[in-house]
Amino acid sequence: DTGVSQDPRHKITKRGQNVTFRCDPISEHNRLYWYRQTLGQGPEFLTYFQNEAQLEKSRLLSDRFSAERPKGSFSTLEIQRTEQGDSAMYLCASRPGQATNEQFFGPGTRLTVL
Amino acid sequence: AQSVSQHNHHVILSEAASLELGCNYSYGGTVNLFWYVQYPGQHLQLLLKYFSGDPLVKGIKGFEAEFIKSKFSFNLRKPSVQWSDTAEYFCAVNVHYGGSQGNLIFGKGTKLSVKP
Repeated sequence: DTGVSQDPRHKITKRGQNVTFRCDPISEHNRLYWYRQTLGQGPEFLTYFQNEAQLEKSRLLSDRFSAERPKGSFSTLEIQRTEQGDSAMYLCASRPGQATNEQFFGPGTRLTVL
Repeated sequence: AQSVSQHNHHVILSEAASLELGCNYSYGGTVNLFWYVQYPGQHLQLLLKYFSGDPLVKGIKGFEAEFIKSKFSFNLRKPSVQWSDTAEYFCAVNVHYGGSQGNLIFGKGTKLSVKP
């Protein structure tokens, strides 16, 4: 399968713990996005990478959240000191550099904070 | 702030009925428009997109959408739905302004249930 992959698919953690998610984009895509989706809502933008550079961050991305894409390939999203309000589906998407191409989404990581 | 409104939260249709899902966005500048679909247990996938040109765009599985700039709308249509169209449908907008890097703004989604 050459689509966007995410790991893990599910994560259950206790409040206050740190969690890290990984996204592997489609190999030739240099642009990578993270979104968060809660129940009854559409995905909401968190952050964007072009190659290894993080070029945009949403106000939703509090200082407990950090994202990296060290070599311009896979990306990680870390949440420190998790809160129950962080429970959501975290989606990763990638696209090539051309502006007319759509974003390709991964299956998501479902986070449950107890 | 830019936003996308989807008017229907849940639509229930019988097979062969016609479908129209509403989508309106709030932004006066250049936009790219998308409809994504999420089938049960699957990830988001693109149904169709509008960037420029003919405002009536055709997508996969017999879906089409019409961009009406004066109404800030991009409604999704299908003349005859099938049970396999049961899914959640999301309208999304990519606005163009200084500093924007192409992130999508999604509506809340419309759940479509098709009765066999």
